[in-house]
Amino acid sequence: GDSVTQMEGPVTLSEEAFLTINCTYTATGYPSLFWYVQYPGEGLQLLLKATKADDKGSNKGFEATYRKETTSFHLEKGSVQVSDSAVYFCALKTGGFKTIFGAGTRLFVKA
Amino acid sequence: DAGVIQSPRHEVTEMGQEVTLRCKPISGHDYLFWYRQTMMRGLELLIYFNNNVPIDDSGMPEDRFSAKMPNASFSTLKIQPSEPRDSAVYFCASVPTGSHEQYFGPGTRLTVT
Repeated sequence: GDSVTQMEGPVTLSEEAFLTINCTYTATGYPSLFWYVQYPGEGLQLLLKATKADDKGSNKGFEATYRKETTSFHLEKGSVQVSDSAVYFCALKTGGFKTIFGAGTRLFVKA
Repeated sequence: DAGVIQSPRHEVTEMGQEVTLRCKPISGHDYLFWYRQTMMRGLELLIYFNNNVPIDDSGMPEDRFSAKMPNASFSTLKIQPSEPRDSAVYFCASVPTGSHEQYFGPGTRLTVT
């Protein structure tokens, strides 16, 4: 079945460091790919998305490129801030109505 | 719009009691999803509805769990009887037709002692 695998956390970085959170997927068909973010005490919210191969999603300085050849959708940010501390979920959606979420990666950013 | 509304935000109950969690989706959204989040199991889909009709309840852990959506603006998730292993954060999310994005509520943190 469809699945998402993302790197285990927690990831701890200093402010202004470069961030990469790896995500790979397995899916039949041509999925849409997403990154959701969950801040403490809140629900998940969509951070960015890409709906076809080679698309780049971007938002708030974060970006991820849909790589069909490597079945990956890695999340990157050039300079993280303390306010980016959260849990990040990679997710996919195929032709059905369900969204498949990864296990989540917790990010801590130190001042 | 106020977004997805869930109540209560926190619930503490004793084992064996009935628990009812409530969700009001965003107006005009046709899909509603219930999830459970724990440290051990991550985010699990329990059930989802389309136009108030349950479509897939294969994620409901057992018969103690039931969900209803009597109209487009209200859904409940009931646990009867509750057990300590049901302790988790329960989210509902709504989605408009044709969209990929799920809009999550703030969650209900359930503690069963």
